[in-house]
Amino acid sequence: EIVLTQSPGTLSLSPGERATLSCRASQSVSTSYLAWYQQKPGRAPRLLIFATSTRATGIPDRFSGSGSGTDFTLTISRLEPEDFAVYYCQQYGSSLTFGQGTKVDIK
Amino acid sequence: QVQLQESGPGLVKVSETLSLTCTVSGGSISNYQWSWIRQPPGKGLEWIGHIYNSGSTNYNPSLKSRVTISVDTSKSQFSLRLSSVTAADTAVYYCARTKIGSWYFWFDPWGQGTLVTVSS
Repeated sequence: EIVLTQSPGTLSLSPGERATLSCRASQSVSTSYLAWYQQKPGRAPRLLIFATSTRATGIPDRFSGSGSGTDFTLTISRLEPEDFAVYYCQQYGSSLTFGQGTKVDIK
Repeated sequence: QVQLQESGPGLVKVSETLSLTCTVSGGSISNYQWSWIRQPPGKGLEWIGHIYNSGSTNYNPSLKSRVTISVDTSKSQFSLRLSSVTAADTAVYYCARTKIGSWYFWFDPWGQGTLVTVSS
């Protein structure tokens, strides 16, 4: 099973700042099968990015994804108030696993 | 747009079988795969498994011996059965539309989730 480790656990930033979230895999992950989700309290997760860097329908272009092999990154270029949430990475290939999440909260 | 809604008992007794159904509306159940994912209170996400329209399934190895996912295309529903539950199975259970392709994999959209509590 591939373990995904997200860092940092919590990221405290102000609106307008840039957020950089990391997802590191215990083994190489195909770029085709790495996705990112956003979850707000009491809500279901929402698909942000799939295939490492493809934004889902309706996702603003301040969200971007990159990476390959074992290191992947989600970047939010300028945080909006609605972006404060928990973010999960997910891989499919060797079974299917999620990272433990990174919480982006307001500084 | 397509919407998913989970339904089933919110309370299940230890050692019994958890049964949930997901109803798909606003879109076809064909041409996609369908998944169950759970989230224990205050914790992260755990994939349970998914089913193809052919009926073939893929399960989380850690749950495989206890899980059955089935689909009823005539009702636009798919279901989850998890046997021999313990308190560790207490979680919010989500259903999700899934797309698996040669260069992509995603869960979208998700149902709102339903909390299932396992109690003695």
